[in-house]
Order: sequence, then structure tokens, then C-alpha cells
Amino acid sequence: AQSVTQLGSHVSVSEGALVLLRCNYSSSVPPYLFWYVQYPNQGLQLLLKYTSAATLVKGINGFEAEFKKSETSFHLTKPSAHMSDAAEYFCAVTSKAAGNKLTFGGGTRVLVKP
Amino acid sequence: GAGVSQSPSNKVTEKGKDVELRCDPISGHTALYWYRQSLGQGLEFLIYFQGNSAPDKSGLPSDRFSAERTGGSVSTLTIQRTQQEDSAVYLCASSRIGGDNEQFFGPGTRLTVL
Repeated sequence: AQSVTQLGSHVSVSEGALVLLRCNYSSSVPPYLFWYVQYPNQGLQLLLKYTSAATLVKGINGFEAEFKKSETSFHLTKPSAHMSDAAEYFCAVTSKAAGNKLTFGGGTRVLVKP
Repeated sequence: GAGVSQSPSNKVTEKGKDVELRCDPISGHTALYWYRQSLGQGLEFLIYFQGNSAPDKSGLPSDRFSAERTGGSVSTLTIQRTQQEDSAVYLCASSRIGGDNEQFFGPGTRLTVL
């Protein structure tokens, strides 16, 4: 079985401040991990993915995430928030053993204050 | 190239009616997934098609839900005798098989059951 926990359903950051979104996963087999972003009334857009290569993964829009097996974490960061980062972010896990079905966390809505 | 498309974008129906939601995956993608996004349940897997294999229906919430994929391309999700709790955004995704299984999402169909 696999599961994802995102700590904090809402995060508020000031423009220019660090964005940190937390994701912890559970998987009995080596996981593939993803971060998706969803803007209002739109589908999910992939930010970045971990697929057993480099543990520090860089994605679009200045985001990056680090896979830490010992902590079963895959936290998402961005050094300097921009107003356009206001959206909902989802962490997801899958694996070949899970038939590549994504299991999502509950999502974190990011508000960026000017 | 074209992404995943879904139709209709919005559907309002009366309780007890049947609805059909359509998904056109990215050309060449052999895997197709349906997910549901609702306020109470978050993002949850519904069904998965891979090539000519039998679909993985393990996420379908009841026997009122069914899906088919014709010719290995277009998929239709059917909900019979809709209930108010079926109100949600239904998301379709497609992917290649092999590699990291990155799933590409469509914009979704927002279903409202009155």
C-alpha cells in the first residue's frame, strides 16, 4: 500500500520569501514521487518528479524537491515566492508494483502576500 | 502537440440521470487513467487502462460507475443514476508505459448533480 501526507492544507507566504511545502510518503517498494500544481479551474501540471536518479530534483518555475529515503520525505521548496505561485500543490506517489496509479496527498493551497 | 482533452468541460445533471464523460489521450500514450477530485475526498484514483489488458477498476466507488476505452484511444466514463455525492471534477490522464510513468492530465470535467 502507498500513501502520502501533506502537512498543512494552507500555507501563506510573503512575496520573495521561501516557499516550503512538506510531503511524507509511505511505500513498501521504491517509489516514484511527483509534485503537481493546480491553478483555479485547470488540470494538474507537473512541477517535478523523482524516479530513482538524483535525489535533488529541479523542476519548472524555480521549484526543487529533495528525496530523503531515511525520512520518507519529498519536500518542495522555492527560494523566493512570486505572486504567480499562488495555487494548490499536490504531492503524489506511485510505483510499478502499484500499477503506476497515483496516490495523492490532500493538497496544500499557497497564498502569496504582496 | 495536443495534450489530453476532455469533454464536456462542465456538466449539470439531475439526480438519477446517466452521464458520459469523454477523454482523448495524447497520441501514442498507451496508458489512460481516470481520477476524481472532490471536496470531501480529495484526488482519488478511479480506473486505469493499459493497452489491451483488462482495466484496473479497483478505484470505482460503486457499480454505477463504468468506463471503456475504444480502439486503445478515446475513453468514456459513464455514471448511471447519478447521485449528489457524484458531484466532482473528473480528471483524465495519459502516459507512455515504461520509464517514469509521467502522467499528463486533461483540464477535467466538472460534474454537478442537482
